[in-house]
Amino acid sequence: GQQLNQSPQSMFIQEGEDVSMNCTSSSIFNTWLWYKQDPGEGPVLLIALYKAGELTSNGRLTAQFGITRKDSFLNISASIPSDVGIYFCAGQKSNTGKLIFGQGTTLQVKP
Amino acid sequence: EPEVTQTPSHQVTQMGQEVILRCVPISNHLYFYWYRQILGQKVEFLVSFYNNEISEKSEIFDDQFSVERPDGSNFTLKIRSTKLEDSAMYFCATGDRRGYEQYFGPGTRLTVT
Repeated sequence: GQQLNQSPQSMFIQEGEDVSMNCTSSSIFNTWLWYKQDPGEGPVLLIALYKAGELTSNGRLTAQFGITRKDSFLNISASIPSDVGIYFCAGQKSNTGKLIFGQGTTLQVKP
Repeated sequence: EPEVTQTPSHQVTQMGQEVILRCVPISNHLYFYWYRQILGQKVEFLVSFYNNEISEKSEIFDDQFSVERPDGSNFTLKIRSTKLEDSAMYFCATGDRRGYEQYFGPGTRLTVT
């Protein structure tokens, strides 16, 4: 089946540092979505990307849709303790609506 | 801000029993999805539903699973005869356009004993 490889698997950083994570796939997606999940809760949509090369920001978060349409990147600038959680990328092919999720990146921020 | 709601938040059931998980989508959304997440793992697609029909289902979504929109507002997932391996968080997600954003509910934790 289709797989998304998300890296890194986990990160432990100091408050104030910038964070980068990415997702890659062997197949093309038409939409990339980035979600954050806190323990015991549902994924919360952070950023949606629809065009190859698109760069979109949401506050301190910036995400990019890779030119090849096979990858996406999420950056968090000036991290704060509430950024702690699991970040998931999800790719979508528009003809199904089905989301394929990455394995997640667990972010821990040390105050 | 509109949000997806799910009930119950936690369901404990014995193996072989039927369970129904309920979702109330965001009001103007027409596309509905169920996903599940086994503890510590990634989110997995189960089924998509539009215009009162299943659009796509995964290999996980076998004959024991069914979905329904019984009253035009709720969207339900039924598992006819639960197995131990059905224990997971089940998330409902909804969207107003196919291929665009999907908004997730808080999930139902299903524990099969």
